[in-house]
Amino acid sequence: KQEVTQIPAALSVPEGENLVLNCSFTDSAIYNLQWFRQDPGKGLTSLLLIQSSQREQTSGRLNASLDKSSGRSTLYIAASQPGDSATYLCAVRAQGGSEKLVFGKGTKLTVNP
Amino acid sequence: NAGVMQNPRHLVRRRGQEARLRCSPMKGHSHVYWYRQLPEEGLKFMVYLQKENIIDESGMPKERFSAEFPKEGPSILRIQQVVRGDSAAYFCASSLTRGPHEQYFGPGTRLTVT
Repeated sequence: KQEVTQIPAALSVPEGENLVLNCSFTDSAIYNLQWFRQDPGKGLTSLLLIQSSQREQTSGRLNASLDKSSGRSTLYIAASQPGDSATYLCAVRAQGGSEKLVFGKGTKLTVNP
Repeated sequence: NAGVMQNPRHLVRRRGQEARLRCSPMKGHSHVYWYRQLPEEGLKFMVYLQKENIIDESGMPKERFSAEFPKEGPSILRIQQVVRGDSAAYFCASSLTRGPHEQYFGPGTRLTVT
């Protein structure tokens, strides 16, 4: 059974810092991995999708890497801003035809002005 | 192009009543997924549907919960005889097809059972 863990559960940083969020998964047989952002009381916004054959994806100040063999992904946020404050969720989709995403519990990020 | 739409955004039901949650996928998307987020928990998969078909309902509770995605109209998640433990945020996602496509999420319906 696939399990996804995100560490740390919460992170508070001053504005301008570069930071890394971690995601680990127990079964390396994944189809892809997706990073989301969730604002309080809101839905999920997809940030980056990494296919199993890819090593990383970049979008603006965000860079996500994937090491499938070790069961790890990281989300790197450069030059953090207060507007980046949100909960960041990692989700994996297993191989074998399953369409469902398995989510971690998220990392709650606070960027202080 | 409108995103995934869910309504109502907030729903309050008394114990024993029925809750009906609606989801309209993105234009052109024919695959719909329902997830539930309990307080302080991660999102959990419930069911995956294509038009008129339930493909995977492995995450659905065995009783009181049902889902449909008719040929016309939105997908419906129905919860009969709600209990306090059903209080949660219910999210719908859609994708273009099966395969390596992103799932796009709606804003969710927050169900409160009193």
